[in-house]
Amino acid sequence: KAGVTQTPRYLIKTRGQQVTLSCSPISGHRSVSWYQQTPGQGLQFLFEYFSETQRNKGNFPGRFSGRQFSNSRSEMNVSTLELGDSALYLCASSPEAGDTQYFGPGTRLTVL
Amino acid sequence: AQSVAQPEDQVNVAEGNPLTVKCTYSVSGNPYLFWYVQYPNRGLQFLLKYITGDNLVKGSYGFEAEFNKSQTSFHLKKPSALVSDSALYFCAVRDMDSSYKLIFGSGTRLLVRP
Repeated sequence: KAGVTQTPRYLIKTRGQQVTLSCSPISGHRSVSWYQQTPGQGLQFLFEYFSETQRNKGNFPGRFSGRQFSNSRSEMNVSTLELGDSALYLCASSPEAGDTQYFGPGTRLTVL
Repeated sequence: AQSVAQPEDQVNVAEGNPLTVKCTYSVSGNPYLFWYVQYPNRGLQFLLKYITGDNLVKGSYGFEAEFNKSQTSFHLKKPSALVSDSALYFCAVRDMDSSYKLIFGSGTRLLVRP
């Protein structure tokens, strides 16, 4: 099976812009989670989707949002970008919620 | 609240020697514990997990981890290190309060010298 894919792999944006990141889970996986990785804060949970429903959300401002489609693909959106949003954004999928999570390669977002 | 701690920022070991990367946890109830590895500019790769059963868990690439309930530890081990094992290692616990998110430790950089 193909692994989790994330697009794009790299993004450069300026402050105030918005960005949309995409994640395609492993075939058959229905749960998708998003994490932010930064040198200072480490790995932090953003949100988790299962069957198109957001079931958990981490401690991030409302500028961070996401959704999941009927084919389990997921997108996350960050509006009004700030310099501190520069990070590696990782998507993970699992067959069912609570199963082992398998991660994609991430999207490296740089905000200038 | 659940948490994990990785007390060492970096572990240095010579190739061929055994390696240990430490992890301690704090959870309410039975822990679901994981180890992941991250290579430069890559995502996290799943190594192994402990949910229940045998305290010694075997995983990918020759790694294993020992679950110790009395010491609340879940140390990652490998009998003989390879230079290619050099990477960033993360211990994680599943958050039982919030169902499914993973709570990660701060990571330990493993450097295996030839």
